[in-house]
Parts: sequence; structure tokens; C-alpha cells
Amino acid sequence: NAGVTQTPKFQVLKTGQSMTLQCAQDMNHEYMSWYRQDPGMGLRLIHYSVGAGITDQGEVPNGYNVSRSTTEDFPLRLLSAAPSQTSVYFCASSYGGTIYGYTFGSGTRLTVV
Amino acid sequence: GDSVTQMEGPVTLSEEAFLTINCTYTATGYPSLFWYVQYPGEGLQLLLKATKADDKGSNKGFEATYRKETTSFHLEKGSVQVSDSAVYFCALEGGSQGNLIFGKGTKLSVKP
Repeated sequence: NAGVTQTPKFQVLKTGQSMTLQCAQDMNHEYMSWYRQDPGMGLRLIHYSVGAGITDQGEVPNGYNVSRSTTEDFPLRLLSAAPSQTSVYFCASSYGGTIYGYTFGSGTRLTVV
Repeated sequence: GDSVTQMEGPVTLSEEAFLTINCTYTATGYPSLFWYVQYPGEGLQLLLKATKADDKGSNKGFEATYRKETTSFHLEKGSVQVSDSAVYFCALEGGSQGNLIFGKGTKLSVKP
């Protein structure tokens, strides 16, 4: 099993550019989430989904969009990149929510200049 | 709102030393509690969990006991190894949607 696959691993953007961070899982998990990890801040929830066609906002959703057209994929879109979005982004999936434990991808390191 | 507070790092220990990483939480009710570990260059992995008061989670020699009296979930290991060097995150199931709420993480370095 590949688990949770994130692409790209590294990305440099200019301020104002847009891009999509890809996330795919092959475990047939219903729950998927996006987190950002910043030094001294831990992980903060951006958006999450409890199934195909259902998404909701987390703690820090501004500047990001998501969609969930299939169970496998949960892309994160940056609409107009800002330096404050420089971070490491993690996608995670779970069979049935928090209590079952989440499987995390290896992350995307994004730098906005 | 719900929150998790972890001891500040980094923590540096010699191999075979005893490890404690403190974690306390603030939450309504009695949320499930978790420890996740992040090895260098990787995503987070679930290390252990406890779902109710007095439960003890354990895995790979690590243990943590859910203490509702002190709202704590401290991580312990009797004898650390160099391979335990990682960042450890305490988390709870909280918020309005029952998502994971993480502490800031504690970096552990174990020297041979």
C-alpha cells in the first residue's frame, strides 16, 4: 500500500501565484484533512472532509480551497500565494475519524517569496 | 476552546535514560488523547492513544496514562534509544467537529 501520497515534496512560489497541492490515499478512508506545520506552532487544521462531496473549514482556512470529488483525492488549492503561507503542509486520512488514528503523508514544503 | 500544552523542547538525553514529556490539556468533557511521533523528514505517525480516564496507552516501550484529575497525558519511556530521536506531539480529539488538536511538539534528541 502506498498510504497517503503528497505531491510535490517541495515548491517555491512567487507572491500572487496559485497552485494545487495534491493528496491521494489508497486505503478507502472516508476522512481526510489538511494541516500546516509552522515552527513553534504545532499542526493546525486547514480543511477537512468526512466523505466525497463533503468538506468543511478548520482552524486556518483563509486563502485555501478544497474539494473532494472522489474518496481517494483531496487537493488543496492556494488561490493567491502569500509569504504567510510558507509552511510545511501535511495531508492525512482516517478510516473513521480521530479515534481510529490518522495516516499522514510525508508533507509538502512550500516557500512563497 | 480546547487546547494542548506540551513541555518546551528540545530535550536531549543519553541512550538508556528515562524519558518524560509532559502534556496537559483543556477541554470540555473527556476527549480521547493521543501521542504522535514525527521522525526526520517524515509525516506524523500515531504512537499511542487513550480513550477514557485511567486508560494507559502503550507502544514501542512508550506509555501514557489518561489522568482526568490533573488533565494530563504525559509520555514516558524507561530507556530511550538513538532511534527514538524525533518530534513528539500530544493531541486531543476536540473542537466542534472532533478533529485533532495538537500541541506544539517536543523535539527529542538521544545521544549515544
